[in-house]
Amino acid sequence: KNEVEQSPQNLTAQEGEFITINCSYSVGISALHWLQQHPGGGIVSLFMLSSGKKKHGRLIATINIQEKHSSLHITASHPRDSAVYICATLSGGGADGLTFGKGTHLIIQP
Amino acid sequence: SQTIHQWPATLVQPVGSPLSLECTVEGTSNPNLYWYRQAAGRGLQLLFYSIGIDQISSEVPQNLSASRPQDRQFILSSKKLLLSDSGFYLCAWSRVINTEAFFGQGTRLTVV
Repeated sequence: KNEVEQSPQNLTAQEGEFITINCSYSVGISALHWLQQHPGGGIVSLFMLSSGKKKHGRLIATINIQEKHSSLHITASHPRDSAVYICATLSGGGADGLTFGKGTHLIIQP
Repeated sequence: SQTIHQWPATLVQPVGSPLSLECTVEGTSNPNLYWYRQAAGRGLQLLFYSIGIDQISSEVPQNLSASRPQDRQFILSSKKLLLSDSGFYLCAWSRVINTEAFFGQGTRLTVV
């Protein structure tokens, strides 16, 4: 069974800083999700990627399949980016659901 | 476009009471449906998944059950809640071929 590890567990930074959140997994996957969970609990899917790099606004996600590692970057961070960021992997055909990391609690201070 | 509805958003229930959480998907047919739980201080964990009506697979033995009476309806139930059932419950769906997952807003359950 896949194990998904995220680091750091908690991160506090100043507005404008460049943020990096890391995710490592133990077995081969078909896809990896980066999710954002706000204090109310609702979850939004930020990226789904299986190779290379994706960019959406100030968010960038990269994945290295050989190293079993993915990173989520936030450029020019803003207090509204404060949330829990969760890495989740998908193995096999997809019917058996996602394996989640424990999340990274990000606080951006003004 | 596809949407997913999950309710209620929050719920406080006494120990021993029943539970019913409902999730419905609109705008697609024959989705894969999932129930996840996030206990305090832990990551999300898959509880049940379904690839079709009345086809339910359980990942973790527990006090909960799931049913799929209609193609786009997924229900999480319990006959008697335990304190340990407290947590955040999340419904999600995905297509079989396209593996992108879409999430409901979640239900925060507190068993008292």
